[in-house]
Amino acid sequence: DQQVKQNSPSLSVQEGRISILNCDYTNSMFDYFLWYKKYPAEGPTFLISISSIKDKNEDGRFTVFLNKSAKHLSLHIVPSQPGDSAVYFCAASAEGQNFVFGPGTRLSVLP
Amino acid sequence: GAGVSQSPSNKVTEKGKDVELRCDPISGHTALYWYRQSLGQGLEFLIYFQGNSAPDKSGLPSDRFSAERTGGSVSTLTIQRTQQEDSAVYLCASSLRWNSYEQYFGPGTRLTVT
Repeated sequence: DQQVKQNSPSLSVQEGRISILNCDYTNSMFDYFLWYKKYPAEGPTFLISISSIKDKNEDGRFTVFLNKSAKHLSLHIVPSQPGDSAVYFCAASAEGQNFVFGPGTRLSVLP
Repeated sequence: GAGVSQSPSNKVTEKGKDVELRCDPISGHTALYWYRQSLGQGLEFLIYFQGNSAPDKSGLPSDRFSAERTGGSVSTLTIQRTQQEDSAVYLCASSLRWNSYEQYFGPGTRLTVT
């Protein structure tokens, strides 16, 4: 039973365009959501997060949108850069415990 | 050190042997987490520590898995009688407090059971 889903295993985007990575969850108890970026042979690094009391959080080129009624969140990267090519994990937590990660989406930004 | 470190970086072991994986969290971080990533799978939460205690061990895949943390710092994840399905990258993360949402990950230990 996958509580956090990332249905697109891979995504290719042209440099300068918008990248949109999607994430769906099933557990309504989740109250905090995070995105991590992972390069090969490295651990994931924290990117951006959003609390369930918000519907949008923006940090530079990265914006996360949360639609609680649809149990859906998305990460927008604008403009996309070749260095953004990585695997992106969506993660969710209920009260800061037992983080659940999605399977990841591999983003390729083409120059 | 500046970040979370893990050792060894790679471990190849024969089926049935025991292995011990080590994690050194960021100094001052009271919470420590273990995850594993199997090929083609997402990150699977295993266990977390608040200080030296692990409030919830239900994420450990079987009783062959155990973890401990001493002195509020270093943690070891032990897998007894390894099986081929244990092959994965084992990631450790730490955070300032147990309910801090931002976690800092180590580079992982790639375990291969032959």
